[in-house]
Amino acid sequence: QVQLVESGGGVVQPGGSLRLSCAASGFSFNTYGMHWVRQSPGKGLQWVASIWFDGDNKFYADSVKGRFTISRDISKNTLYLQMNSLRVEDTAVYYCAREDRWLQCFDYWGQGTLVTVSS
Amino acid sequence: DIQMSQSPSSLSASVGDRVIITCRASQSISTYLNWYQQKPGKAPKLLIFGVSSLQSGVPSRFSGTGSGTEFTLTISSLQPEDFATYYCQQSYNTPRTFGGGTKVEIK
Repeated sequence: QVQLVESGGGVVQPGGSLRLSCAASGFSFNTYGMHWVRQSPGKGLQWVASIWFDGDNKFYADSVKGRFTISRDISKNTLYLQMNSLRVEDTAVYYCAREDRWLQCFDYWGQGTLVTVSS
Repeated sequence: DIQMSQSPSSLSASVGDRVIITCRASQSISTYLNWYQQKPGKAPKLLIFGVSSLQSGVPSRFSGTGSGTEFTLTISSLQPEDFATYYCQQSYNTPRTFGGGTKVEIK
């Protein structure tokens, strides 16, 4: 069965860095696009970044462009989000999600990992 | 970027009620419209993709319609387990933007 398990969240000071991981299993990781979506406390869902199934195309929300980097390691079936220059407003639960390439929907989500940026 | 808006932002309803949630896109997205359900403390769950196709395991009381810029999610007879927040999302292009959410509460 498809599983996505995030890790790496925690408390970090403004300006700090954190790397989130999303371990994937139960499907051919290299044939799906993957996304990071975040949710600030009490707020809605915000798409953060995407990496296409080919691994070459990457996209970022304007609010994180230049600070966050999405990547993946096919050999480890793991998706990453490197977050630098963190701001208080980056505080959120971060979810990884798989996009069905043909149906173009986020059909599986991880359980989320909480990132708190605070001094 | 395509902006997605939902109305209402919240509603109160009783078990057995018919509930309709509206989602509007800032430009035409054809039928690239998905709906997700999220319960407190849980990850979102895919309900409907491509406007009207139910994800496996989703009860038939959920349905979706629309095309272009206006879409609706209907719950024909609200059940206790349906009290949650619902989000629409466009997958016409990147970024894959979400609506602001509609919280369905118990009356």
